[in-house]
Amino acid sequence: DQQVKQNSPSLSVQEGRISILNCDYTNSMFDYFLWYKKYPAEGPTFLISISSIKDKNEDGRFTVFLNKSAKHLSLHIVPSQPGDSAVYFCAARAGSARQLTFGSGTQLTVLP
Amino acid sequence: GAGVSQSPRYKVAKRGQDVALRCDPISGHVSLFWYQQALGQGPEFLTYFQNEAQLDKSGLPSDRFFAERPEGSVSTLKIQRTQQEDSAVYLCASSPILNTGELFFGEGSRLTVL
Repeated sequence: DQQVKQNSPSLSVQEGRISILNCDYTNSMFDYFLWYKKYPAEGPTFLISISSIKDKNEDGRFTVFLNKSAKHLSLHIVPSQPGDSAVYFCAARAGSARQLTFGSGTQLTVLP
Repeated sequence: GAGVSQSPRYKVAKRGQDVALRCDPISGHVSLFWYQQALGQGPEFLTYFQNEAQLDKSGLPSDRFFAERPEGSVSTLKIQRTQQEDSAVYLCASSPILNTGELFFGEGSRLTVL
């Protein structure tokens, strides 16, 4: 039973436009959410996070939105750049637990 | 280097062989994690160390999997009597003790069991 779901395996966006990556979760104990970015043959790298006490967190071109009632979060990238092409993983953590639960990832392709 | 280092990067094993995967975390990071990533999936938690103490091994799929971190730095993930379903990328990550969830991942060790 997947507790963190990324239902879109892939997404293509034109350079300069907005990329929106979505993530749903089922475990109501999750209270901290993260996005990781992964290039081929590299490990995932941390991108941005959000606590459940907030509904938005922004860092430069990246904004994460959290809708607790819908158990949904999204990552917005504006403007998208070709270097943003990568696999994006949504991850969640519950309370004092140390481990993260990851989604299956979305391959973002930004077309020049 | 300053990042998490894993070796070997690629390992091919015959079914039934034992393998050992090494992780050298970022200096000073007391927390160390092992994750397993199957093809087309996200990383799945295997085990967690704080210094040399293995505080959570709930994700290890069977007793063929064993991890250690005897001196609180380098860690080894050992898989005994490998099976085809063990084929995956094994990711090691470290973090400072007061981290907020941000993990620093290595490049992973890709294991292929024939």
